[in-house]
Amino acid sequence: DGGITQSPKYLFRKEGQNVTLSCEQNLNHDAMYWYRQDPGQGLRLIYYSQIVNDFQKGDIAEGYSVSREKKESFPLTVTSAQKNPTAFYLCASSPITGSNYGYTFGSGTRLTVV
Amino acid sequence: AQKVTQAQTEISVVEKEDVTLDCVYETRDTTYYLFWYKQPPSGELVFLIRRNSFDEQNEISGRYSWNFQKSTSSFNFTITASQVVDSAVYFCALSEPPRDTDKLIFGTGTRLQVFP
Repeated sequence: DGGITQSPKYLFRKEGQNVTLSCEQNLNHDAMYWYRQDPGQGLRLIYYSQIVNDFQKGDIAEGYSVSREKKESFPLTVTSAQKNPTAFYLCASSPITGSNYGYTFGSGTRLTVV
Repeated sequence: AQKVTQAQTEISVVEKEDVTLDCVYETRDTTYYLFWYKQPPSGELVFLIRRNSFDEQNEISGRYSWNFQKSTSSFNFTITASQVVDSAVYFCALSEPPRDTDKLIFGTGTRLQVFP
């Protein structure tokens, strides 16, 4: 079945460490997105990519980095510069058609700083 | 400016009650798309509906129905005879121009709690 796979489901990070969250899709979607969700809050866009080897900052990109070397993969690195990284991270993808068919979401990664 | 407002932060109902989740949007586009997603406690957002701005017919899917009114820029979601399994956070979303990017703008979500 086609879908988006995020791993790991839970991740613990020590202060000062960089961690990378994986997002892989087999939907042949052009665009991929990373969102952050804090308890009781909505979705905030971190980064998005509409084509391989290109990506744009979202609303809260500071302290994060991404790469898009393959169409299927869009990993997110949470760097030590991110002051408050504990949150739920959601990856999504969409085709780019001009007819906006909406996003398919992964099941998320819950990151906790210990 | 493009914006989606979900003014209801949290709603609590008792099972079998009907409940309406409000969504008001602002857009400069004449052609746009509206969506509703459900986020159960497991965390993954699940697609519920997509509506084209040219189609103002209301839609019903089982216990779910959607009321799209361009005159008031609203796209409200009603659950009839709510059940405990409907407990989730519900997000309304709007296509962000230019439409050829296929990006979405999300509201802040409404948490629905259905008690037995």
